Amino acid sequence: GEDVEQSLFLSVREGDSSVINCTYTDSSSTYLYWYKQEPGAGLQLLTYIFSNMDMKQDQRLTVLLNKKDKHLSLRIADTQTGDSAIYFCAEKGAGKSTFGDGTTLTVKP
Amino acid sequence: GAVVSQHPSRVICKSGTSVKIECRSLDFQATTMFWYRQFPKKSLMLMATSNEGSKATYEQGVEKDKFLINHASLTLSTLTVTSAHPEDSSFYICSANAGGSEQFFGPGTRLTVL
Repeated sequence: GEDVEQSLFLSVREGDSSVINCTYTDSSSTYLYWYKQEPGAGLQLLTYIFSNMDMKQDQRLTVLLNKKDKHLSLRIADTQTGDSAIYFCAEKGAGKSTFGDGTTLTVKP
Repeated sequence: GAVVSQHPSRVICKSGTSVKIECRSLDFQATTMFWYRQFPKKSLMLMATSNEGSKATYEQGVEKDKFLINHASLTLSTLTVTSAHPEDSSFYICSANAGGSEQFFGPGTRLTVL
């Protein structure tokens, strides 16, 4: 079946940029998503990219998609302590969405 | 954006009892709702897909008689954990889809079975 993989942990200093990487296997993916989950809460959609795009920027967030390598990244510029959370990558093809295991981002002051 | 609510947000129950969790789309009609289970520090595991007015489609390994799903209207889906046991303790999250590309997630329900 489809698989989505992410590194489990990332630690950065406040003010630095964070880059969270994700790889997926489903070549029929049409949409790729980044979600944020804070402790004890549900998922919040941060941004998504259609599979025929290679970049999308939204304020501090930049998503890069390399469809050939099936690689997706999320860059957070000027990372703040409030950005500390778990970030999930997800892909959606013809059917359901498949989620990665999440990357725990820790922002140190 | 669209809002999805869940009720209750937390529930503690005794082993052997049944627990019902509600998922509501507050400002849109959801053609499809999804139920996920999330273990600590783990990803979301899709349990079932629920379409209004029809039987839910369960993922492999999920017991449909254990996790009863009812999607009676375009704004409400319920998940009932029957005869709950401690191993059913988890964070249950629903999401709703209005027919487009985006899923809107509820805030989750923390179930603790004693």
